[in-house]
Amino acid sequence: GAVVSQHPSWVICKSGTSVKIECRSLDFQATTMFWYRQFPKQSLMLMATSNEGSKATYEQGVEKDKFLINHASLTLSTLTVTSAHPEDSSFYICSATLGGALQFTQYFGPGTRLTVL
Amino acid sequence: GEDVEQSLFLSVREGDSSVINCTYTDSSSTYLYWYKQEPGAGLQLLTYIFSNMDMKQDQRLTVLLNKKDKHLSLRIADTQTGDSAIYFCAGSTGGGNKLTFGTGTQLKVEL
Repeated sequence: GAVVSQHPSWVICKSGTSVKIECRSLDFQATTMFWYRQFPKQSLMLMATSNEGSKATYEQGVEKDKFLINHASLTLSTLTVTSAHPEDSSFYICSATLGGALQFTQYFGPGTRLTVL
Repeated sequence: GEDVEQSLFLSVREGDSSVINCTYTDSSSTYLYWYKQEPGAGLQLLTYIFSNMDMKQDQRLTVLLNKKDKHLSLRIADTQTGDSAIYFCAGSTGGGNKLTFGTGTQLKVEL
């Protein structure tokens, strides 16, 4: 149980285009979803916290107009990287929590590798 | 904010035990976690410990928590080549449900 999927698993795009990444909880309803980015050989950096039906809460230094997050349902959150540039190339990982007594436990997706040319 | 530190690299022989250490600063963390990340993949939850516990054992994994020293460790018994990965400790932050991750320890298991 508690499986999280991401799509696509990797994407290559041209500079200036927008890319949408989907995060789905497959066998549970996620009260909260999180978006992280990870640079090579580094730890995860939290970008934003997303609750269904409300605006995402962005971490300091993360541009909300560049990284658009939509959490339309309890099983789907999307991250859109708008006007992508090479410096946005990274590994983007989402996670989801079950809520209740397990509200702190995050289940992670397999990640999406974004390369911007 | 919380700081979570780990040693960067650990090398062990197959069959030996591995001990990965983690220190943290936020004593209000309710849960502390260990995640495993294989190359190019997401994070796999290995185990977690509630902050009022000292130890938790789950098959080959043993987690020790020293709240006084704010030190967390993960022991992997009978380490196998499939255990080679990066291991992250993480703590719930400031009473909320966000996690702060450690810097990650790369475990290399040699034959």
